[in-house]
Amino acid sequence: AQSVTQPDIHITVSEGASLELRCNYSYGATPYLFWYVQSPGQGLQLLLKYFSGDTLVQGIKGFEAEFKRSQSSFNLRKPSVHWSDAAEYFCAVVTNRDDKIIFGKGTRLHILP
Amino acid sequence: EAEVAQSPRYKITEKSQAVAFWCDPISGHATLYWYRQILGQGPELLVQFQDESVVDDSQLPKDRFSAERLKGVDSTLKIQPAELGDSAMYLCASSLVEGYNEQFFGPGTRLTVL
Repeated sequence: AQSVTQPDIHITVSEGASLELRCNYSYGATPYLFWYVQSPGQGLQLLLKYFSGDTLVQGIKGFEAEFKRSQSSFNLRKPSVHWSDAAEYFCAVVTNRDDKIIFGKGTRLHILP
Repeated sequence: EAEVAQSPRYKITEKSQAVAFWCDPISGHATLYWYRQILGQGPELLVQFQDESVVDDSQLPKDRFSAERLKGVDSTLKIQPAELGDSAMYLCASSLVEGYNEQFFGPGTRLTVL
């Protein structure tokens, strides 16, 4: 069965520093890949998605992610984080267009002033 | 900007009581999802509707959970009786059509069972 692994439960970075959140998936073919962000007590907001084409995907709020087929990874990056980026980030996968979306367990991002 | 509405935002109940959550999707969205998110985990799908029909309820504990979307618009998720292990965030999401399209999430209902 397909799965999503986010190896880091917590990540702490200083404001203005760069960020990379890791995501690995398990599936034989290329899935649809997503990153969502969840602020405390809130629902999820889609940051970006990859379906096909250019493997570097730009999203909202200055985030980008790169799909690497050879590593089965879809890591999220941001060159300079802001205090408002503190939240929980979920990587998710859908293995075909009609299948369910499977979420990782999330990475909580903490920002140091 | 159109949003998915959920109520209540917070619910505290005692075990063995009945609880109900309401969701109003974005207007025109045919597909509606209910997810359960346990603290420290990602959301897990409980039930998916296409209009008023259930498409997938394989992960719904049917002995105590029920969901309906009678007119294909808003939806209610019910738990009877609630158990301690039901404490979680219950998220509703909607999308334009069936099959993967972007899902828009509501703010969730935080349930605490005492």
